[in-house]
Amino acid sequence: SQTIHQWPATLVQPVGSPLSLECTVEGTSNPNLYWYRQAAGRGLQLLFYSVGIGQISSEVPQNLSASRPQDRQFILSSKKLLLSDSGFYLCAWSVGGGAKDTQYFGPGTRLTVL
Amino acid sequence: AQSVSQHNHHVILSEAASLELGCNYSYGGTVNLFWYVQYPGQHLQLLLKYFSGDPLVKGIKGFEAEFIKSKFSFNLRKPSVQWSDTAEYFCAVNKNTDKLIFGTGTRLQVFP
Repeated sequence: SQTIHQWPATLVQPVGSPLSLECTVEGTSNPNLYWYRQAAGRGLQLLFYSVGIGQISSEVPQNLSASRPQDRQFILSSKKLLLSDSGFYLCAWSVGGGAKDTQYFGPGTRLTVL
Repeated sequence: AQSVSQHNHHVILSEAASLELGCNYSYGGTVNLFWYVQYPGQHLQLLLKYFSGDPLVKGIKGFEAEFIKSKFSFNLRKPSVQWSDTAEYFCAVNKNTDKLIFGTGTRLQVFP
């Protein structure tokens, strides 16, 4: 069966420090991968999605970047964190490439920037 | 811009009460509609989805949702809630693209 892992589960970082959040998927090949941010009272906002290795689409201009170095690995990064980067970050995957496909979410990483 | 509205931010019910959570969207044309749920300590997971056909969709755990095209709505319902339904519920919509637009979520608390 397929599983999705995210780490770390929680992270507290000072303003201006770098960030690296990792997401890996097991049990499937060539998934579509997504990074979302959930801020209080704002629902889930799609940040990046990827349909294959090295292919990244950015949805929102921001202080973050994403990379997909391997088929089932998706990394969210920042060179210098801002206070506004605090939030709950969710990784998700889907297969099929269609709009009707179910997305499967990871456990999330809660990031607090101080 | 396309949007999804969930007007109920926090709902508190007693067990056995009926539930209806509102979801409205601003897309025109054909849409795909989803309800996701996040139980405490668990991953966000799919509750039900609608693409076409019968506008009354049955999901897991006794939930259902009705698509009313004229009202741009996809409300979630359950006739009798249980304490285990305590969770956060998200409505999501997309068109012919993978990009899902989520609502802000509704936190449901059910007291025994």
